[in-house]
Amino acid sequence: SQQGEEDPQALSIQEGENATMNCSYKTSINNLQWYRQNSGRGLVHLILIRSNEREKHSGRLRVTLDTSKKSSSLLITASRAADTASYFCATAKSYSGAGSYQLTFGKGTKLSVIP
Amino acid sequence: DVKVTQSSRYLVKRTGEKVFLECVQDMDHENMFWYRQDPGLGLRLIYFSYDVKMKEKGDIPEGYSVSREKKERFSLILESASTNQTSMYLCASSLPGFTQETQYFGPGTRLLVL
Repeated sequence: SQQGEEDPQALSIQEGENATMNCSYKTSINNLQWYRQNSGRGLVHLILIRSNEREKHSGRLRVTLDTSKKSSSLLITASRAADTASYFCATAKSYSGAGSYQLTFGKGTKLSVIP
Repeated sequence: DVKVTQSSRYLVKRTGEKVFLECVQDMDHENMFWYRQDPGLGLRLIYFSYDVKMKEKGDIPEGYSVSREKKERFSLILESASTNQTSMYLCASSLPGFTQETQYFGPGTRLLVL
């Protein structure tokens, strides 16, 4: 079942502007991850934030997590044309005792950065 | 770098054919996953495996089966392909344990069933 829901579905901005994408989820999680997908390609992991963390940075990326609201946001600062891609949030929940996780992905936000 | 490869980027099959999609990873990962991706529906988990010869159903296993005879290889099988299985198929792998949850994806196979 789909857990994460991204908002907006599509976002178009000018190069240099900041892009903010939001993700809401329904059940408790161990962590939340953001992935990027360039058109017609596989997904690439961007950043992971654990359920006991509130904010995390990686280069031009900033992720926040509010477990009380069951929501997360991804901020890309000073966007570039190369950031044009679809962005997905994924919530991780441990799978039984196998020591592994299942990820449940949202439907994604399609970001277009106009040069 | 982790490398996950999929046997085909594009595949065209006829209804009723048996289809094999192969995925190979070179980083000795225990966990492997198969997803399908459709417009407006995002990624949905079909099957996953956390060890050789082990398999678990995901959210949409109907019409699919899997095989994991070797640690590095995870195959998705469409026993009798149907047009509603036209989709992008993505394979992923990950390490086990509670500190290695990141999944590494292959480039995807775009399957068209006529």
